[in-house]
Amino acid sequence: DIVMTQSSDSLAVSLGERATINCKSSQSILYSSNNKNYLAWYQQKPGQPPNLLIYCASTRASGVPDRFSGSGSGTDFTLTISSLQAEDVAVYYCHQYYNIPYTFGQGTKLEIK
Amino acid sequence: EVQLVESGGGLVNPGGSLRLSCAASGFTFSNAWMSWVRQAPGKGLEWVGRIKSKTDGETTDYAAPVKGRFTILRDDAKNTLYLQMTSLKIEDTAVFYCSTGYYYDSSGYLRPGYWGQGTLVTVSS
Repeated sequence: DIVMTQSSDSLAVSLGERATINCKSSQSILYSSNNKNYLAWYQQKPGQPPNLLIYCASTRASGVPDRFSGSGSGTDFTLTISSLQAEDVAVYYCHQYYNIPYTFGQGTKLEIK
Repeated sequence: EVQLVESGGGLVNPGGSLRLSCAASGFTFSNAWMSWVRQAPGKGLEWVGRIKSKTDGETTDYAAPVKGRFTILRDDAKNTLYLQMTSLKIEDTAVFYCSTGYYYDSSGYLRPGYWGQGTLVTVSS
């Protein structure tokens, strides 16, 4: 199984500042035939299902504000929120859909400092 | 608009059985590969399994913790996905989400699909 490890379980950032969440996979999730990384990022707020933010490591899902961006390739990935807003307080998960069983990172709880 | 509505959750004794349903609308259900994902209270997300479309053989794949105990089924005539759970354990307590699986966007990029609101299964004596 591919293990997804997020670098921190929690993170506190000031409003308006940049927030960065890192995720590492135990093996490459780069699909060589199309050069796409099958890595997604989700945001989850209490009592709600996860909301897709980013897929293929760097493609923003429809309706997602452009302050959210994804980067990385192979085994190392990053979710960046360029200017933290109060409504961004949530738990963020990375997710690989390269191999079954699909797996998720443990989650990073983002809070306001 | 894609809608997925899970039902069937509740309290069940350890060793018991339960069947969850997911009513789908807003897309061609018969063409979709469907998945279940669960989340234990206060914990992270865990992929449970998936079922391919009938055209693709209606085959299933499961996560190791549920293999042999859970069965994913589909009824394309009713646009409904099921999760039959047997030999339930306390550690199966979770919110279970139904998902449309993965599909290609307009640019040809593979993306995760849509999720329902979830249904809570509590395994306890």
